[in-house]
Amino acid sequence: DQQVKQNSPSLSVQEGRISILNCDYTNSMFDYFLWYKKYPAEGPTFLISISSIKDKNEDGRFTVFLNKSAKHLSLHIVPSQPGDSAVYFCAASAANFGNEKLTFGTGTRLTIIP
Amino acid sequence: DTAVSQTPKYLVTQMGNDKSIKCEQNLGHDTMYWYKQDSKKFLKIMFSYNNKELIINETVPNRFSPKSPDKAHLNLHINSLELGDSAVYFCASRPRDSGNTIYFGEGSWLTVV
Repeated sequence: DQQVKQNSPSLSVQEGRISILNCDYTNSMFDYFLWYKKYPAEGPTFLISISSIKDKNEDGRFTVFLNKSAKHLSLHIVPSQPGDSAVYFCAASAANFGNEKLTFGTGTRLTIIP
Repeated sequence: DTAVSQTPKYLVTQMGNDKSIKCEQNLGHDTMYWYKQDSKKFLKIMFSYNNKELIINETVPNRFSPKSPDKAHLNLHINSLELGDSAVYFCASRPRDSGNTIYFGEGSWLTVV
């Protein structure tokens, strides 16, 4: 049972334009959400997170939006740069899991076209 | 300086062998994890340790045994390796006050032949 879903396995975006990566979840107990970025042959690196008490969090070119009623979050990257080409994982956790466990989506491969 | 380091990075071994993957973090974090990314790209938690104590064991076969000699190290020993154990194994750690942000190592690519 996949509780965190990233339905787009890949996405191509022109350099300078906005990249929008989407993530849906099914477990209403999730209250903290994160995005990780992964380059080939490397581990995932933390990018940005959002608590369920917020609907938006911004860090430089990266903004995460959370729509709790739709159980949907998205990551916006603007402007997109070639170095943003990577696999992006959405992850979620719930307080009643003891805040110890992240549940990941299967990732979206983002390719930025120069 | 690599914050979460794991060795070996690549390992090819035969079915039935026993192997270990080592992990060390120099961040002073209290909690360490092992995650597994399988061929379908699912990244799933296997174990969590807090200050050398097992917190999460996510229904992993008994052939997998984590060992935490101190809070900076969490090693993964796998007995009687099977073809299905082929995957990428990621070690990770989390500081006490990070919310739920965890920091991953570079991964260990295990191939069982």
